[in-house]
Amino acid sequence: QSALTQPASVSGSPGQSITISCAGSSSDIARYNLVSWHQQHPGKAPKLLIFDVSDLPSGVSNRFSGSKSGNTASLTISGLQAEDEADYYCCSYTGSSPLYVFGTGTKVTVL
Amino acid sequence: EVQLVQSGAEVKKPGESLKISCKASGYSLSDYWMAWVRQMPGKGLEWMGIMHPDDPNIRYSPSFEGLVTMAADRSINTAYLHWGGLRASDTGMYYCVRRPHRTGAAFDVWGPGTWVTVSS
Repeated sequence: QSALTQPASVSGSPGQSITISCAGSSSDIARYNLVSWHQQHPGKAPKLLIFDVSDLPSGVSNRFSGSKSGNTASLTISGLQAEDEADYYCCSYTGSSPLYVFGTGTKVTVL
Repeated sequence: EVQLVQSGAEVKKPGESLKISCKASGYSLSDYWMAWVRQMPGKGLEWMGIMHPDDPNIRYSPSFEGLVTMAADRSINTAYLHWGGLRASDTGMYYCVRRPHRTGAAFDVWGPGTWVTVSS
């Protein structure tokens, strides 16, 4: 099972919206609505941002939203802010070995 | 407050053994599953495996099967990751992450990480 494919970097200006893609396969993203997104600031541990494709944990800004189409999941950040500059990782349940697979990671830069 | 408290950074030589710990605070270890995630220097996240204190069947990623051992001590609410013989390629940050019981659920709480350096 290979890592899910994400763009290496995405950038945007403050206030803009950006979307990060996460491409998987029929064995993971397409099969299960069990995609999560995690945000990692430099030198910090990751933090859960989105679970079950589009649900937000308590305390996470509704500027973050998730979706899925076929074998590709997406994370959209609306109203981009300086504090959104971080690395973002998608993760999918696979139902087989390995049970979970992470994406390659995307560095978001706020211009 | 729910949190995972991990042991401190380690510096080891190739071939040495190591056990790092992850203490669950604010909840009972048995109420959730625990996974481990590796992040090599400057690289992405890699899922290593997942376990439950009451389930002897630990699910390892094929990439880590036979290289590490996961365990837990319910009496002190602590999970462990163990290496019998470290290699230089084991250098990296190791995170313990909590997962709710529901199959396929997302990892909802991350520990701060334990940095492991393996160098001769």
